[in-house]
Amino acid sequence: KQEVTQIPAALSVPEGENLVLNCSFTDSAIYNLQWFRQDPGKGLTSLLLIQSSQREQTSGRLNASLDKSSGRSTLYIAASQPGDSATYLCASNAGNMLTFGGGTRLMVKP
Amino acid sequence: DTAVSQTPKYLVTQMGNDKSIKCEQNLGHDTMYWYKQDSKKFLKIMFSYNNKELIINETVPNRFSPKSPDKAHLNLHINSLELGDSAVYFCASSLDRGPLLETQYFGPGTRLLVL
Repeated sequence: KQEVTQIPAALSVPEGENLVLNCSFTDSAIYNLQWFRQDPGKGLTSLLLIQSSQREQTSGRLNASLDKSSGRSTLYIAASQPGDSATYLCASNAGNMLTFGGGTRLMVKP
Repeated sequence: DTAVSQTPKYLVTQMGNDKSIKCEQNLGHDTMYWYKQDSKKFLKIMFSYNNKELIINETVPNRFSPKSPDKAHLNLHINSLELGDSAVYFCASSLDRGPLLETQYFGPGTRLLVL
């Protein structure tokens, strides 16, 4: 059964820093991996989706990478801003079924 | 326009009651899902429907019954509510293109509190 782990569970950085969020999964037989953002008391917003055949995806200041063989994905956030403060969730997709990690709570201080 | 909508947003009810949560998507997607996020913020899949047909049913008590009247709606009915059912329930949808699986879009969530 797929297990998804995110490290660290919480992260606090000063504004302007570049940071990396880590996601690992136990079963490499995935179709894609998705990164989401969740604000307190809100739903999930999809940030990036990487198909299994891809190595990375970029959207603005966000870059997500995928290494299926090692069961890892990273989300890189460049020049962090206070508005980036949220919980970031990664989810592996094996046949329409998303398995979520526990999330990383990010706080960017002004 | 809201892509995936859920009603109600908040639901407070007594143990033993029966309640329903509604979900609608206007994206023309084929597949819809229900997820549960517990107090520790872990999100887990409960059900998945593709074109009104159940395709995923994780280990969920029989008290939970999804109903899909059409492709755009997936409602969740819960019988005999228990304290442990308190959680946030998220509906989601995606376009099923076979091997190229698409992004799942999530609704805003329904916060259920069972007293």
